[in-house]
Amino acid sequence: KAGVTQTPRYLIKTRGQQVTLSCSPISGHRSVSWYQQTPGQGLQFLFEYFSETQRNKGNFPGRFSGRQFSNSRSEMNVSTLELGDSALYLCASSLGQGDGEQFFGPGTRLTVL
Amino acid sequence: QQPVQSPQAVILREGEDAVINCSSSKALYSVHWYRQKHGEAPVFLMILLKGGEQKGHEKISASFNEKKQQSSLYLTASQLSYSGTYFCGTEKGGSYIPTFGRGTSLIVHP
Repeated sequence: KAGVTQTPRYLIKTRGQQVTLSCSPISGHRSVSWYQQTPGQGLQFLFEYFSETQRNKGNFPGRFSGRQFSNSRSEMNVSTLELGDSALYLCASSLGQGDGEQFFGPGTRLTVL
Repeated sequence: QQPVQSPQAVILREGEDAVINCSSSKALYSVHWYRQKHGEAPVFLMILLKGGEQKGHEKISASFNEKKQQSSLYLTASQLSYSGTYFCGTEKGGSYIPTFGRGTSLIVHP
């Protein structure tokens, strides 16, 4: 069974630009959660999608948004990038509830210059 | 509010035991444990739910003390492969909005 895949793996953007990250969950998994990981703040929850609906949201500004498609693939968008958005963005998929066993993808390393 | 993990770092020799603690100032519904190796994604270890039993597999187990709002991860007879950073994620319940500790770095030497 293929694992969670994320594209791209690395991304370099400049301040003010926007970026879209993609996550393909494990086949059959309907829940996709997104996380931001930085050395300063650690691992932080962004949001969770289930059956194309955002079910839960962490404490991030509205510049961070996401969506989920009917095949459970998910995208995350960050608009008006700031230097502080430089981070490893991880997605994780699970069968149903976001509080079940989660399988993480390798992450997308975003650098904002 | 972020749960507090202790200790921040542990250095062991193969075969030794370790305990990592995760404490919250708020009532918890569940605690998740993850291990992350350098340059890799976190790997889910286990989830403990309020009112649930202590969990574990092989030589890694965990407990959840609801009254103390604390969870402990027990690693027995540590192996080299146990090296990594261990995170706990806590939820207050009602919806899945986890908050993570800063991590405990575990280094196992031969």
